[in-house]
Amino acid sequence: RKEVEQDPGPFNVPEGATVAFNCTYSNSASQSFFWYRQDCRKEPKLLMSVYSSGNEDGRFTAQLNRASQYISLLIRDSKLSDSATYLCVVNKHSNYQLIWGAGTKLIIKP
Amino acid sequence: DAGVIQSPRHEVTEMGQEVTLRCKPISGHDYLFWYRQTMMRGLELLIYFNNNVPIDDSGMPEDRFSAKMPNASFSTLKIQPSEPRDSAVYFCASAISGNTIYFGEGSWLTVV
Repeated sequence: RKEVEQDPGPFNVPEGATVAFNCTYSNSASQSFFWYRQDCRKEPKLLMSVYSSGNEDGRFTAQLNRASQYISLLIRDSKLSDSATYLCVVNKHSNYQLIWGAGTKLIIKP
Repeated sequence: DAGVIQSPRHEVTEMGQEVTLRCKPISGHDYLFWYRQTMMRGLELLIYFNNNVPIDDSGMPEDRFSAKMPNASFSTLKIQPSEPRDSAVYFCASAISGNTIYFGEGSWLTVV
C-alpha cells in the first residue's frame, strides 16, 4: 500500500460546480499536510497547508481527518483556470520527510 | 525576487553520456532538494541538503547519480553514465527551515 494515495482522476467538472477530492495517508504519526497544484509541464506550487481545524482560502477549503487518516480539498465555484493536477503532501516527521501523492487531475469544462 | 533557477531547461543526450544539472536556490534558503518526476513514478525525492550538507540521499537511484552543494548558492546533480530510463523532469527546490518548498521550473532530460 502506498504511504499517500490519491484518486488519479481525471475529474471532469463543469465550470461553476463544486468539486472535492480526498487523499489518504498510512502513517498515523504524520505531522503536517499540504495541497500543491501542478499545471501541465510546470513545477508544483503550494496551494495551501492543511490545519487540524480545517482552513479556507477563498474558494478553496482544506480539511484534515486524523481519525480516518485523510485530507480533503474542496473547490467551490470552479473556474477554467482551476484545471490542474492537485498533489497531496504529507510530512512524516518534523523536517521535510515529505511523501507526495501521485496527484489528482482536475479538468474544468466550459 | 528571483526564484529557484535551474539549467539547462531541456537536454537531449545519448546513452552513456554524462549529464550535469545545475541549480541556484533562492537566496537565504537553507534547504535544497532534488526531485525527479515521471508519469510512472510521480514525484520522487532524490536527495536533500541542509546548510550545504547532504541529509538524506536514500532516494538516489544508484551510483550513477551524484549530487553536490559546494556553497549556499549552487548545487549540481550529475548522472554518469546516463541511461534511457533516466529520462524525466528533474526539479530543484529550496526552502527556509519549516516553511514552504519552492520549486524551480525543472530540467527536462531525454536520454536516447
